[in-house]
Amino acid sequence: EAQVTQNPRYLITVTGKKLTVTCSQNMNHEYMSWYRQDPGLGLRQIYYSMNVEVTDKGDVPEGYKVSRKEKRNFPLILESPSPNQTSLYFCASARRGGTEAFFGQGTRLTVV
Amino acid sequence: AQSVAQPEDQVNVAEGNPLTVKCTYSVSGNPYLFWYVQYPNRGLQFLLKYITGDNLVKGSYGFEAEFNKSQTSFHLKKPSALVSDSALYFCAVRDVSNTGKLIFGQGTTLQVKP
Repeated sequence: EAQVTQNPRYLITVTGKKLTVTCSQNMNHEYMSWYRQDPGLGLRQIYYSMNVEVTDKGDVPEGYKVSRKEKRNFPLILESPSPNQTSLYFCASARRGGTEAFFGQGTRLTVV
Repeated sequence: AQSVAQPEDQVNVAEGNPLTVKCTYSVSGNPYLFWYVQYPNRGLQFLLKYITGDNLVKGSYGFEAEFNKSQTSFHLKKPSALVSDSALYFCAVRDVSNTGKLIFGQGTTLQVKP
């Protein structure tokens, strides 16, 4: 089954404790991205990757890092999480030149 | 600047009645438009898209959307609402300069009452 898989689904952590949210897709898509969803703001892009070893900032990259060492994986790293990063995070993938994006099930992160 | 607006935070409709969830957009050139739905504790699911061609687009679960270029709108519609349609709906447009990126509206909660 074609899918985007994120882990964990839920995470509560403390300020300053480094964490990684994993994302993997099995559709051989070139394009992957991370979004955060906040009430009243919709989804906003954090980082994206056009292909392996190619990443770039989206609209709200501050406080986040990503890497793309393999085509299927695109982890989101929070080196020093802060409470304003409490949000619902979605990973997405898309085929280059394609149209719709495919989304993971989301990771609800709470930073206390 | 490119943007998407969903003017209603919530839409309430009775089961069996038609529903409309509104979306307007601002983008240079020809827009690629999408609707996604988010059920509680689930990811975003693709409903339908407009790329080119007929202004009325049919999608999953009986939904359709009408593209109106003059009004820059892409409203989501369904002739007969179901209670199970209750969810959060997002309209999105593809960024013309970053073609993998979607620009989302704020989201509209659809509540269908029995």
